[in-house]
Formats: sequence, C-alpha cells, structure tokens
Amino acid sequence: QVTLRESGPALVKPTQTLTLTCTFSGFSLSTSGMCVSWIRQPPGKALEWLALIDWDDDKYYSTSLKTRLTISKDTSKNQVVLTMTNMDPVDTATYYCARKGVVRDAFDIWGQGTMVTVSS
Amino acid sequence: DIQLTQSPSFLSASVGDRVTITCRASQGISSYLAWYQQKPGKAPKLLIYAASTLQSGVPSRFSGSGSGTEFTLTISSLQPEDFATYYCQQLNSYPPTFGQGTKVEIK
Repeated sequence: QVTLRESGPALVKPTQTLTLTCTFSGFSLSTSGMCVSWIRQPPGKALEWLALIDWDDDKYYSTSLKTRLTISKDTSKNQVVLTMTNMDPVDTATYYCARKGVVRDAFDIWGQGTMVTVSS
Repeated sequence: DIQLTQSPSFLSASVGDRVTITCRASQGISSYLAWYQQKPGKAPKLLIYAASTLQSGVPSRFSGSGSGTEFTLTISSLQPEDFATYYCQQLNSYPPTFGQGTKVEIK
C-alpha cells in the first residue's frame, strides 16, 4: 500500500524558513520514473504546484516561487524535504505531498496534507 | 507557464444530471491532462489521467475527453457523493499547472 504523510510546524513567523518533510512508504524513489511533488492550497483557494524531485535527483520548481524553494530527497529514509524561505502570511495554506508514479502521468497518491499558518 | 482555464467556476446541479466541465489550455498539451476531485477538508483524488483514462476504482460515470487545448470532464449521472470541487492539471511541461477549479453544488 502506497502512503505519504506530511509533517512540519503548524505555525511559523513571517520571514522564517519553513521545512516540511514528506515520509512515504510502498514505493521507492530510486525506481526509474518515480517522482514526489509538493502542492499547496490556501484556505478556500485553488491548488498550486510548488516543486518536484525525481528518481534521478532532477528538481523542478514553481516559476514564481523558485527563488524561495529547495526540494531534496533521502532515499534511504523514504523522505522528501521542502524548504521555503522568507515566509509571509500569504503562504498560509495546506501543504500536500504527492507521488507521480511510473505508469500514470499524474499525481496518483496524495498525503493528507498539513496546515501551515504564517503569523507573528 | 501553461495556463489552464476551467469553466464554469461554479455549477449547481441535481442528482441524476449530466454534468460537463471544460478545461482549456493556453497552448497545446497533447493528452497530458489529469482530473482530480476534492472534497472539503480532504486531499485531491485522481479521477482521470492522459485526458481520458479512468483511474482504477473510479466509477464509470466519470469520463474525460479532448486533446491539444480543449478538454472535458463529464459525469453522466450525478450522484450525491460527486458534489465536490474538480481540478484539471497539465503534465505536458514544467511547471505542471492546475486549473482554478470547478465547484459542483447541489441545486
């Protein structure tokens, strides 16, 4: 069974750096074609794609946020980490990680999401 | 970035209705389009990928069509559990952008 779970702080202060961890099971990120992505959703708003890392350690970022984002993986721990610098109240959102598998060109399995509030 | 525009943004329908949601891409994306369903407080769920392939376990009343720049998601007979927000996503090129969503509510 494939599962993903996001973890990280529920509250961060403006200007701080957010670090989120996606811990997954049921697949290996060293399998050719496998990817893990981060997506966020501000309250009441649409989904926004943030970043993706693939099995070959290639990394892709949102055009508007790429200067603030870093994605990395620890294959031995089955984890993907996202850092976002210089947090602002507009970054308040639920942050999801999701798998993009080998067979389906889509995000087929999602974590439950973690809500992050940016406030002083 | 490729922009996706969904229409309508909001849809009011009754159980049993046939519902169609459109997703238009700002440039051609072949068939690299997925549809997701999201219910309040829950993560999105994959319904359709490659524009028209039904994800395993998704009821057959859901179908997708289109290629290039225009795509549709159709629910042939709306069921109570289908009231949700639906998003399209293009995976033709990075960044893999989402549409703004279509909320389907009970009439």
